[in-house]
Amino acid sequence: QTVVTQEPSLTVSPGGTVTLTCASTTGAVTSAYYPNWFQQKPGQAPRPLIYSTSKKHSWTPARFSGSLLGGKAALTLSGVQPEDEAEYYCLLYYGGAQLVFGGGTKLTVL
Amino acid sequence: QLQLQESGPGLVKPSETLSLTCTVSGGSISSSKYYWGWIRQPPGKGLEWIGSIYYNGNTYYNPSLKSRVTVSVDTSKNQFSLKLSSVTAADTAVFYCARLPSYGGNLLIDYWGQGTLVTVSS
Repeated sequence: QTVVTQEPSLTVSPGGTVTLTCASTTGAVTSAYYPNWFQQKPGQAPRPLIYSTSKKHSWTPARFSGSLLGGKAALTLSGVQPEDEAEYYCLLYYGGAQLVFGGGTKLTVL
Repeated sequence: QLQLQESGPGLVKPSETLSLTCTVSGGSISSSKYYWGWIRQPPGKGLEWIGSIYYNGNTYYNPSLKSRVTVSVDTSKNQFSLKLSSVTAADTAVFYCARLPSYGGNLLIDYWGQGTLVTVSS
């Protein structure tokens, strides 16, 4: 069974930079997995941030960026704001039609 | 503006079938550019993809749920539906419907419904 792994929790100071990663038990994550990233705050539906590794939606703040890093998909937040405190989920596509979410990273801004 | 709205019973008894419908407004479900999918989230836990359907009826399911899941589409009503059979308490979750564009060399989820909580309990 394919498992997608994220850091369970990370803490960052306001104004700082933090990178969240997304790994697959099948091996290195590449652009062929079309990595997506979502932000979820309590009681809300997930909000799409990044798709196809690094592409931003029209509503995605400029401080969010996506990349591939050391065989993993990565989401970097630069100049973190207090409102960025949330759970972040990655999503990988396997075979184009099978989707697997990561377990989520709880980001604390402190 | 595209909107997706889940509807269905909020309480289902164990061993019965959970049925939900997602109504799409502000766009056509018949477009060849999009898949439509269901995702669930147990209370306090992470997201799990359940399954997706293309406008022509082609379906794709999470292997771990495949034996219990049916996703269907009704283009005349601009709706798609989920049935999950033989439910147990472990199926208690917030269920989301979503749009999954698939064109231009991209695969993504761009719009989500607000979600609906379904509790499995006698």
